[in-house]
Amino acid sequence: DAGVTQSPTHLIKTRGQQVTLRCSPKSGHDTVSWYQQALGQGPQFIFQYYEEEERQRGNFPDRFSGHQFPNYSSELNVNALLLGDSALYLCASSWGTGWSGDNEQFFGPGTRLTVL
Amino acid sequence: KQEVTQIPAALSVPEGENLVLNCSFTDSAIYNLQWFRQDPGKGLTSLLLIQSSQREQTSGRLNASLDKSSGRSTLYIAASQPGDSATYLCAPEYPNTGNQFYFGTGTSLTVIP
Repeated sequence: DAGVTQSPTHLIKTRGQQVTLRCSPKSGHDTVSWYQQALGQGPQFIFQYYEEEERQRGNFPDRFSGHQFPNYSSELNVNALLLGDSALYLCASSWGTGWSGDNEQFFGPGTRLTVL
Repeated sequence: KQEVTQIPAALSVPEGENLVLNCSFTDSAIYNLQWFRQDPGKGLTSLLLIQSSQREQTSGRLNASLDKSSGRSTLYIAASQPGDSATYLCAPEYPNTGNQFYFGTGTSLTVIP
């Protein structure tokens, strides 16, 4: 059973460019959340997708957008990249939106984004 | 704003020692709490999930407890091994946030052979 997978592993971009990161959830999961983890910090919640819609959003600007496909996989898009966007981007999957509160989340290996 | 604090920030112990990692959160009205392990530059590995109706969970050498009223959780690691060296993160989840976790900066553990 494949766990959460993310691509690419590493990415180098320059300021002002746009980037797309991809995530495939664990088998049987239908909810995908994205987190940003700066060096030395804990992950920060960006947003969550369920049933192809953004259900929750953290304190991130509109430059961060996403999408969920019918097969539950998801993309994170970041426009007009800034140096401060350099971070490890983590994807987490679970079943349901957490309304029951008992759903364990599983994280992928992350995508390391470097903005020069 | 929910804040999570983990003490100590870093810990170095000799192999075989039992240890306790502490986690506190400002808003005690949590639903669940999950403990994770993160190796340098890697993703998060789920260790234990303490669900809303539970007070503790055990997996092998790991035991996590949760005291909602005091806003605290502890992770106990028995007979530590060099392979336990990693950063440990606790993450409370709050109702109506859709599985959104709040993270602190974690505890960096080094187990010396």
